[in-house]
Amino acid sequence: EPEVTQTPSHQVTQMGQEVILRCVPISNHLYFYWYRQILGQKVEFLVSFYNNEISEKSEIFDDQFSVERPDGSNFTLKIRSTKLEDSAMYFCASSGTGATQYFGPGTRLLVL
Amino acid sequence: AQSVSQHNHHVILSEAASLELGCNYSYGGTVNLFWYVQYPGQHLQLLLKYFSGDPLVKGIKGFEAEFIKSKFSFNLRKPSVQWSDTAEYFCAVKRGPNTDKLIFGTGTRLQVFP
Repeated sequence: EPEVTQTPSHQVTQMGQEVILRCVPISNHLYFYWYRQILGQKVEFLVSFYNNEISEKSEIFDDQFSVERPDGSNFTLKIRSTKLEDSAMYFCASSGTGATQYFGPGTRLLVL
Repeated sequence: AQSVSQHNHHVILSEAASLELGCNYSYGGTVNLFWYVQYPGQHLQLLLKYFSGDPLVKGIKGFEAEFIKSKFSFNLRKPSVQWSDTAEYFCAVKRGPNTDKLIFGTGTRLQVFP
């Protein structure tokens, strides 16, 4: 069964550094998403992406965040200058033409 | 603000006990409803979903959920739990066709003891 994959599984970075989180969505899916879960809190929507542009974003997704689909298979989330409060588990998801989103295993980001 | 509430934060059961996990949402329009499960060390997996039609939906591994529109609820049930059901369960809501985002509840940690 096809799955969403994410790399790396864990990332430790210094405050102010840039990080890029990578995702490979399910191959025939057209819609891509990023969510995050700060420890002990809810899973929160960050952004959705369709047809090579952002279709929706939350108030969390400010100018320090960006997303890109650099090729036909990868979907990336970049955080330009990380802050302590960016420490969280970041989940990528994808969906086909329906509304059901399929999630990857997550990348645990720790900002020191 | 729209929200999703899961009132049971931690549930402990013995094997063969029945399970019901509550989920309520605060949104008056058309919704799509989901239950996801996260087994220890694994990613979020879809258990079941409701888009329209029969309000009683059946999912994988013997789970079912009932959409009660008048109560804004989508409770998850299983008549007899197994040790392997130990996991965290998340309810999520998509508010109609004009948004992509899922709004998640805080999750319920279920522990099943043999």
